[in-house]
Amino acid sequence: AQSVTQPDIHITVSEGASLELRCNYSYGATPYLFWYVQSPGQGLQLLLKYFSGDTLVQGIKGFEAEFKRSQSSFNLRKPSVHWSDAAEYFCAVGVGDYKLSFGAGTTVTVRA
Amino acid sequence: SAVISQKPSRDICQRGTSLTIQCQVDSQVTMMFWYRQQPGQSLTLIATANQGSEATYESGFVIDKFPISRPNLTFSTLTVSNMSPEDSSIYLCSVAQDSNYGYTFGSGTRLTVV
Repeated sequence: AQSVTQPDIHITVSEGASLELRCNYSYGATPYLFWYVQSPGQGLQLLLKYFSGDTLVQGIKGFEAEFKRSQSSFNLRKPSVHWSDAAEYFCAVGVGDYKLSFGAGTTVTVRA
Repeated sequence: SAVISQKPSRDICQRGTSLTIQCQVDSQVTMMFWYRQQPGQSLTLIATANQGSEATYESGFVIDKFPISRPNLTFSTLTVSNMSPEDSSIYLCSVAQDSNYGYTFGSGTRLTVV
């Protein structure tokens, strides 16, 4: 069965520091992979997605993610975080019929 | 990408009652979905809303509890029936457009059952 694992429940980073959020997936075929962000009290916003091609994907808000098939990973990175990046981040995999399976999420706290 | 209007944004309901949540999209979309996000949890797919036919439910979700309508390609409703405190969650509508997996989510309905 398809699954998504986000090993880190909570990450705290200093403003201006780099951020990396981990995501591992289990899926039989070539996966469609997504990262979403959910700010407090808000809906989900798509940061980036990977379908095929270049394994380094650029997204909005300065985020990027790298697909590594050998490691079944799709980690999200940002070189320098801003206080507004404090939010919940979800990794998701397309599981067919346009449905998504989500990871448990990682909460990011940004300290001044 | 599509713009979704989801109503109500939040509600507090008495147990045993029902609440209908509306999802309106500003363009015709192929697929519409309903997700649930329980407090502190990730998102779980409830069902796929099929235009002109019965919704397709995921394991653990049934039509009697979560009836869904989709009369056209821009509108769907989810009803949470005979509510209990365990139904307190955020319910989100999502749409997918064409084959490019262009997913968009509504802002969600925060439901509290007392």
